Amino acid sequence: AQTVTQSQPEMSVQEAETVTLSCTYDTSESNYYLFWYKQPPSRQMILVIRQEAYKQQNATENRFSVNFQKAAKSFSLKISDSQLGDTAMYFCAFMKHERYNAGNMLTFGGGTRLMVKP
Amino acid sequence: EAQVTQNPRYLITVTGKKLTVTCSQNMNHEYMSWYRQDPGLGLRQIYYSMNVEVTDKGDVPEGYKVSRKEKRNFPLILESPSPNQTSLYFCASRRFIDVMSDTQYFGPGTRLTVL
Repeated sequence: AQTVTQSQPEMSVQEAETVTLSCTYDTSESNYYLFWYKQPPSRQMILVIRQEAYKQQNATENRFSVNFQKAAKSFSLKISDSQLGDTAMYFCAFMKHERYNAGNMLTFGGGTRLMVKP
Repeated sequence: EAQVTQNPRYLITVTGKKLTVTCSQNMNHEYMSWYRQDPGLGLRQIYYSMNVEVTDKGDVPEGYKVSRKEKRNFPLILESPSPNQTSLYFCASRRFIDVMSDTQYFGPGTRLTVL
């Protein structure tokens, strides 16, 4: 079974600064996917960024980027130029890859609450 | 607009009183699932369905039932709710074919309190 750990329950950052949220995972799988989801106060779950484990290049989406260290089983999220709208709970998630079985479930970490201060 | 809807958004009930939380998606997705979110535990999958009449257990299925009679709907049923089922529930859907090219869409969540 996979486990996902987010060791920072809460973080804060000043507006316009950069913050990094950490995530580690444990798996024996070699092929899998990793995700970061954002949950604002509206409680909607919003996909922020995703990474395929077989790709060495780190994924980026505008102000969001990841540092994927496969050997260390680490998948941190960096938010640059933080904005007030980034205030939310952030979840790291893991999904193993099975080509002909799309019934794969997401395994989530416990979440990190991020507060962006003006 | 592509969306997943859940009803009700908030529910307070008493132990043992059967309830159903509805979930509907308008994207013709094959795959639908239910999660519960508890503090410090993140989201845990309860049940999932890969298509009509095809359902399977997730990580925490005890005390829950689901059905998938139509492609768009995936209700979550609590036959005899207990206080340990007090939680925030999310329904999600995506296309069956490619787990990476298709985003998993989440509903807005249902806050359930069982007294």
